[in-house]
Amino acid sequence: NAGVTQTPKFQVLKTGQSMTLQCAQDMNHNSMYWYRQDPGMGLRLIYYSASEGTTDKGEVPNGYNVSRLNKREFSLRLESAAPSQTSVYFCASSLAGGYQETQYFGPGTRLLVL
Amino acid sequence: ILNVEQSPQSLHVQEGDSTNFTCSFPSSNFYALHWYRWETAKSPEALFVMTLNGDEKKKGRISATLNTKEGYSYLYIKGSQPEDSATYLCAFNGGGADGLTFGKGTHLIIQP
Repeated sequence: NAGVTQTPKFQVLKTGQSMTLQCAQDMNHNSMYWYRQDPGMGLRLIYYSASEGTTDKGEVPNGYNVSRLNKREFSLRLESAAPSQTSVYFCASSLAGGYQETQYFGPGTRLLVL
Repeated sequence: ILNVEQSPQSLHVQEGDSTNFTCSFPSSNFYALHWYRWETAKSPEALFVMTLNGDEKKKGRISATLNTKEGYSYLYIKGSQPEDSATYLCAFNGGGADGLTFGKGTHLIIQP
């Protein structure tokens, strides 16, 4: 039981390049989330998916797109990377998004945009 | 954007001492308050979920209290150990589908 997995662990991009961050969970969770973590900031929500087939913007969605490919997988795409997108990206999942439910986090992807 | 504040930002504590820190959050539209522990190079792990005013939760030497009327929660660590060194995050759930709004965390360093 791997929980939440993310690939890659680390990536360096040049400004303007594109890439997709992958996230998968094997806990049969309905809700999935993408956060970014920057120094001195809390975890900020980029996009979330309350259930398979739905996605919604979070606090900081600009410059990102997401795809909920199936119940297990939720990917985050940077179409044209900018230095401001240098960050650590965390994917998380919860059973049904209920207010008491714990979110389970992946190990993170460190992204450096030059 | 909801305002979830944690203080202090960082804290150095001698091994064996007890410590506590604060999370403040909106007192309206309260659904739940979550505490997470985040060790360096790992991912955040859940400690507690608290929903009722006056709730008190305990896990080993760590405990938390909740005051929803005034909008704050305290996390206490008794007899700090080096393995308690981590960033402690609180997260507020106001009932929205987007889930949790996180504070910036309290970075705790236990000095031997």
